[in-house]
Amino acid sequence: EAQVTQNPRYLITVTGKKLTVTCSQNMNHEYMSWYRQDPGLGLRQIYYSMNVEVTDKGDVPEGYKVSRKEKRNFPLILESPSPNQTSLYFCASSSFREGPGTQYFGPGTRLLVL
Amino acid sequence: AQSVTQLGSHVSVSEGALVLLRCNYSSSVPPYLFWYVQYPNQGLQLLLKYTTGATLVKGINGFEAEFKKSETSFHLTKPSAHMSDAAEYFCAVSVTRSGAGSYQLTFGKGTKLSVIP
Repeated sequence: EAQVTQNPRYLITVTGKKLTVTCSQNMNHEYMSWYRQDPGLGLRQIYYSMNVEVTDKGDVPEGYKVSRKEKRNFPLILESPSPNQTSLYFCASSSFREGPGTQYFGPGTRLLVL
Repeated sequence: AQSVTQLGSHVSVSEGALVLLRCNYSSSVPPYLFWYVQYPNQGLQLLLKYTTGATLVKGINGFEAEFKKSETSFHLTKPSAHMSDAAEYFCAVSVTRSGAGSYQLTFGKGTKLSVIP
């Protein structure tokens, strides 16, 4: 089944404790992206990647890191989480062939930073 | 820079009634436009999209949207609401960035649709 998976789905952590949220897709998509969703703000892009070893900042990159060492994986790293990073995070992927904007989303990771 | 405005953060309709969710965009170049739907505790899934060509676009589950350039609008409609349509709906605009294949997808703040039995 074609899908985007994220782990963990739920995470409670404390301020300053490094964490990684994994994202993997099995559709051989070139493009991958991370978003955060907050009530009343919709989705905002954190980082995106056009292909392996190619990443760039989105609209709200502060406090986050990403890497793209393999085509299928795009982990999101919070080096020193803070309470304002409490949010619902989505990973998405897309194929150049389907054109810009047609993205496939993972199920989301709900993060609480105490 | 492009932006998306969704009118009404919450819309309620009766089962069987018309669904109308409003979306206006701004973009300095011809945009690609999208509607995504998010069911409770799930990720977003594509409902429909406009790229070029016919301005009336049909999507899944009986939804459709019409691109009106003069009004910079892309409103989503469904003739008869069903209980299963209760979800949050996001309008989005995509504009290409410099760099082959690069683009920015900007989402509206979302409209939560409630369907009253």
